Amino acid sequence: GENVEQHPSTLSVQEGDSAVIKCTYSDSASNYFPWYKQELGKRPQLIIDIRSNVGEKKDQRIAVTLNKTAKHFSLHITETQPEDSAVYFCAASRIDDKIIFGKGTRLHILP
Amino acid sequence: KAGVTQTPRYLIKTRGQQVTLSCSPISGHRSVSWYQQTPGQGLQFLFEYFSETQRNKGNFPGRFSGRQFSNSRSEMNVSTLELGDSALYLCASSPFKAGSYEQYFGPGTRLTVT
Repeated sequence: GENVEQHPSTLSVQEGDSAVIKCTYSDSASNYFPWYKQELGKRPQLIIDIRSNVGEKKDQRIAVTLNKTAKHFSLHITETQPEDSAVYFCAASRIDDKIIFGKGTRLHILP
Repeated sequence: KAGVTQTPRYLIKTRGQQVTLSCSPISGHRSVSWYQQTPGQGLQFLFEYFSETQRNKGNFPGRFSGRQFSNSRSEMNVSTLELGDSALYLCASSPFKAGSYEQYFGPGTRLTVT
């Protein structure tokens, strides 16, 4: 069945440095790739998403890249700040189909 | 607009019992999805309802079921509870219209099975 692999499971970066989280997906028909951020004790919230007709999308300090041929996509956070500490989930789906999430990456921003 | 709400927020049940969780979506949202969140498995898709019909289903046993009412509110039922069902159950609503696929999550129901 559909599967989304996410790496690493834990990531620690110095404040101000960049963080990269990578995901691969198995369903080649997937065409929607959202990223969710879940702070401790809070609900997941969408931070950025990308469609398969776009290779890259950026929103201030966060960006997502998509390689459809290799079936992988990545989240890039630049100039990390303490408030970026959270669990990040990637996901993949066909539009209007079930969304399959990765197992999450716990990001620690070190002072 | 009020956000997605879930009741109850916490629940303690015994093995073998059944439980019903409730989710009220954002006004105007017609799609409601349910997820099970556990520390080791992340967010696992249970099912999605749209216009009172189950539109998509994950790989969970038949003990997990749901329904959606005409006002888009949804309920999830788990019968014959097992210890492994202890988890945070999240529901999410979506506008379900072209160009808008964001899932808006509720605060979750923390279920503990003893």
